[in-house]
Amino acid sequence: KNEVEQSPQNLTAQEGEFITINCSYSVGISALHWLQQHPGGGIVSLFMLSSGKKKHGRLIATINIQEKHSSLHITASHPRDSAVYICAVYPGGSQGNLIFGKGTKLSVKP
Amino acid sequence: DVKVTQSSRYLVKRTGEKVFLECVQDMDHENMFWYRQDPGLGLRLIYFSYDVKMKEKGDIPEGYSVSREKKERFSLILESASTNQTSMYLCASSLWWVPGQGPTNTGELFFGEGSRLTVL
Repeated sequence: KNEVEQSPQNLTAQEGEFITINCSYSVGISALHWLQQHPGGGIVSLFMLSSGKKKHGRLIATINIQEKHSSLHITASHPRDSAVYICAVYPGGSQGNLIFGKGTKLSVKP
Repeated sequence: DVKVTQSSRYLVKRTGEKVFLECVQDMDHENMFWYRQDPGLGLRLIYFSYDVKMKEKGDIPEGYSVSREKKERFSLILESASTNQTSMYLCASSLWWVPGQGPTNTGELFFGEGSRLTVL
């Protein structure tokens, strides 16, 4: 069962391009996380969303609860944005059992 | 600077050995988690704790146990390591959060750097 689906699985972009990573989920949720993992590195939380939109620097995350869909956008991409981006959802009422997507591997070429 | 610290970055153990992975957080977080990460499978929850001495099984608890005697420390124990437990183990922590609660509690997850365990 794939309750959280991310697309694309792999993405190569040129520096400066606008990037969108998508996350669709099939369960009712109370919130959604976007996480970033650099090669060999730990995982950093980028956003936690339960509605609407959040922005941090060049990163924007949106969520549509009715459509069970979230997007992560990166504006003016840079090689340092190269990482795996992971979507994870909290099923309704749960603080423990996050359901993770398999990640989107982004490579930004100079 | 907030921190989740895992005791070992790399471990090599033999089949049948008992393995302890320790995780310490300095943020006074209620929630602590142990995950394993495998290629193609993503992150999977092993155990979760929301308070001292409290624990809940995750998706893959078999072969693992946990201990939370103090709020800041959450230990993962492999009683008898097996080769299929070779993996990257990640600890995380977060505040107990309520959807829609004020901006100081975003429910953000903080991860450790990971412990790569190889069982021979």
